[in-house]
Amino acid sequence: DAGVIQSPRHEVTEMGQEVTLRCKPISGHNSLFWYRQTMMRGLELLIYFNNNVPIDDSGMPEDRFSAKMPNASFSTLKIQPSEPRDSAVYFCASSPLRTANTGELFFGEGSRLTVL
Amino acid sequence: AQSVAQPEDQVNVAEGNPLTVKCTYSVSGNPYLFWYVQYPNRGLQFLLKYITGDNLVKGSYGFEAEFNKSQTSFHLKKPSALVSDSALYFCAVRDFSYNNNDMRFGAGTRLTVKP
Repeated sequence: DAGVIQSPRHEVTEMGQEVTLRCKPISGHNSLFWYRQTMMRGLELLIYFNNNVPIDDSGMPEDRFSAKMPNASFSTLKIQPSEPRDSAVYFCASSPLRTANTGELFFGEGSRLTVL
Repeated sequence: AQSVAQPEDQVNVAEGNPLTVKCTYSVSGNPYLFWYVQYPNRGLQFLLKYITGDNLVKGSYGFEAEFNKSQTSFHLKKPSALVSDSALYFCAVRDFSYNNNDMRFGAGTRLTVKP
């Protein structure tokens, strides 16, 4: 299995620029999660989807953040405009919905974002 | 809403000694509890989970965890620590009482095993 694939692995950008992070979940998994990890706040759930439908986006920090899942094999997390405080590692994770009630999440390697 | 607490930011043990990383949880329904490990510049890797059944759960790399309902705890343990166990450990919980299936993580505990 290829696992959860995230891109880019590293992104350095300037304040005000648009950032798009991408995620390909494991084939057959139809729950997808976006998390953000920082030293100060730890691992925060931003949003998650079941069958491509956003279920809970209450963790999205503000309107500058948006996430989409146009199909079962692709999701994006967009920040526009980006700010230095958005610097973090962003993780995507997936799990099968059939066992989502009992099963673990499978994580990608993360996208490390630095906003200058 | 469900939550977990990891009371220790850092745990230091000598190689060969037993280790314990603590976790307590809060859920309104039945808890589904997990432990993950994170190595530097890597994603989180699943170690073990408690869903139902025996209170002692065995997982990867010789780790185990004990579910204690009366103390609402799910501590991670290993009888003999290795230097290679040094990493960041996260406890997590899922609660399906309100038709959601999200997973919430603790703040993490950094385990350092010294030779």
